[in-house]
Amino acid sequence: EAGVTQSPTHLIKTRGQQATLRCSPISGHTSVYWYQQALGLGLQFLLWYDEGEERNRGNFPPRFSGRQFPNYSSELNVNALELEDSALYLCASSLQGGGAWSYNEQFFGPGTRLTVL
Amino acid sequence: KNEVEQSPQNLTAQEGEFITINCSYSVGISALHWLQQHPGGGIVSLFMLSSGKKKHGRLIATINIQEKHSSLHITASHPRDSAVYICAVRSIQGAQKLVFGQGTRLTINP
Repeated sequence: EAGVTQSPTHLIKTRGQQATLRCSPISGHTSVYWYQQALGLGLQFLLWYDEGEERNRGNFPPRFSGRQFPNYSSELNVNALELEDSALYLCASSLQGGGAWSYNEQFFGPGTRLTVL
Repeated sequence: KNEVEQSPQNLTAQEGEFITINCSYSVGISALHWLQQHPGGGIVSLFMLSSGKKKHGRLIATINIQEKHSSLHITASHPRDSAVYICAVRSIQGAQKLVFGQGTRLTINP
């Protein structure tokens, strides 16, 4: 069974440009999560999509946005890139997100390394 | 104070040593992950647990819900175990998002 896939592996952009990162979840998974790992910092939650809708958002500015397609794949868009957006962006997927007291294990993709020059 | 604290931040040991990495958290959780991240960046989930103890090969993870503490143990450590180990919790209030510790960088020397 294929795992979570992300593309591209590496992405180089200049300040002010837009970046689009893609994620394909494990077959059967409807939830997709995006995380950022900036250099020297821990992983930070960015966005959670489930069944095509944004369910939760981390403490990031609005220039970080995304969407989830009918096939449950997802895009993360970063507009007006800044130097500090340089980071590893990880996508994870799980079965449907569940309620407050339930949790479905998240499986991580290999990541996209974004470099902003 | 971070919701998830790991110790130590860095750990260097000789091959064969018994390794313990600790994780303390301050929120009510429904699940805790131990993750492994190799230099290439990709993350592998080692364990997900909500109570008790799990074992996989040379890896053992324990969790004490009352004390809000988890440990990851590696027996008979090997240089290929060198990686960053990350503790992540899914808080009850967190609407499915994971909150991560800062990671423990483990180096096993031959």
